[in-house]
Amino acid sequence: QKEVEQDPGPLSVPEGAIVSLNCTYSNSAFQYFMWYRQYSRKGPELLMYTYSSGNKEDGRFTAQVDKSSKYISLFIRDSQPSDSATYLCAMNYGGATNKLIFGTGTLLAVQP
Amino acid sequence: DTGVSQDPRHKITKRGQNVTFRCDPISEHNRLYWYRQTLGQGPEFLTYFQNEAQLEKSRLLSDRFSAERPKGSFSTLEIQRTEQGDSAMYLCASSFPSVQTAGGYTFGSGTRLTVV
Repeated sequence: QKEVEQDPGPLSVPEGAIVSLNCTYSNSAFQYFMWYRQYSRKGPELLMYTYSSGNKEDGRFTAQVDKSSKYISLFIRDSQPSDSATYLCAMNYGGATNKLIFGTGTLLAVQP
Repeated sequence: DTGVSQDPRHKITKRGQNVTFRCDPISEHNRLYWYRQTLGQGPEFLTYFQNEAQLEKSRLLSDRFSAERPKGSFSTLEIQRTEQGDSAMYLCASSFPSVQTAGGYTFGSGTRLTVV
């Protein structure tokens, strides 16, 4: 079993829809949770970074962490065609390494 | 500073050849990471440096792989005797060491390796 599970999609939504992306994880030692966006043939770009359980909002993006259920989510409001990309969840233990454990990524297509 | 720079962007090589990739991190960042990403998968950690010291290597990094960061600035990743299974995107990232900025990785655009 992978440490981080993420539905690979693809997920297709109409412009303006609310998008929900999710990851589950198995190791309760994870402390930091991130969402990255990756456009085709580009490196991942950090979108959201959270430490504790609860919600964090940044513009149209909301990251949600539920440590008791080992479940994290990213919500995108008023989705735009420019949001079409692969969304990767990532997490780490907060130790000296700072290495990240990534999910497989969810491919999102927002149709105009 | 324009971010993390990787060179080349694409590399096609024949099986058995050696290849070397270069990464130039953000100058203020003293941590540098190498990840590998295959199609349809998330990036997987390979190794990281703090300044010039290589502090951790993944089991994914076989004896054919070697990484260096000689002066604590740019880094190179060399793959010897390439195999078809080495075909992947090789991503470099840099960051500050603080746990509080752990999410503050900046990735480069990657080097896409194809072994034929």
